[in-house]
Amino acid sequence: AQRVTQPEKLLSVFKGAPVELKCNYSYSGSPELFWYVQYSRQRLQLLLRHISRESIKGFTADLNKGETSFHLKKPFAQEEDSAMYYCALSAGSARQLTFGSGTQLTVLP
Amino acid sequence: GAVVSQHPSWVICKSGTSVKIECRSLDFQATTMFWYRQFPKQSLMLMATSNEGSKATYEQGVEKDKFLINHASLTLSTLTVTSAHPEDSSFYICSARDHLPASKTAAHEQYFGPGTRLTVT
Repeated sequence: AQRVTQPEKLLSVFKGAPVELKCNYSYSGSPELFWYVQYSRQRLQLLLRHISRESIKGFTADLNKGETSFHLKKPFAQEEDSAMYYCALSAGSARQLTFGSGTQLTVLP
Repeated sequence: GAVVSQHPSWVICKSGTSVKIECRSLDFQATTMFWYRQFPKQSLMLMATSNEGSKATYEQGVEKDKFLINHASLTLSTLTVTSAHPEDSSFYICSARDHLPASKTAAHEQYFGPGTRLTVT
């Protein structure tokens, strides 16, 4: 069975500082990984997916199969980045999502 | 585009009654929808996969007779919590996948509803 681990429940950084949200996974097959974000009082929305190798709102994430990690990074955090971030893995015939426990990011002024 | 709505946004019911939650894809068709449950300060737990025109697939430990799922059309899935008890109080979230995605990468994407807060007294 697949599993997604986000070791940090809470993470605080100052505005302009680099930020890294950690995500590790376990899955026997070839993984499809995503980062979802939930801003205060808003619905969950897709931030980025590893298959696209894209940068969204300055965030990037690289899939490291050797370390089974998919850490989310941004070189200069902004206050509007404060939100709950979930790492998720897609697997199964219906491509069900398995979510990590989430990391609450707070960017301090 | 790709908007998913849920109704109601919150509901309070008495113990022993049943509650129906609707999940609609507003501007796309979805053969597959998902139902999640989220406890306070915890992650989303997949309850079941809703398949249009066929039976839902439930995750291990989820009682299918308690959480009835119906996906009768390409834009609507319903979750009925039967004989609700206080321990069923939770935040229920649905998501939907586009039946005709614009790209290969979009085929993997799920669009989430805003959630429904259920409180059972």
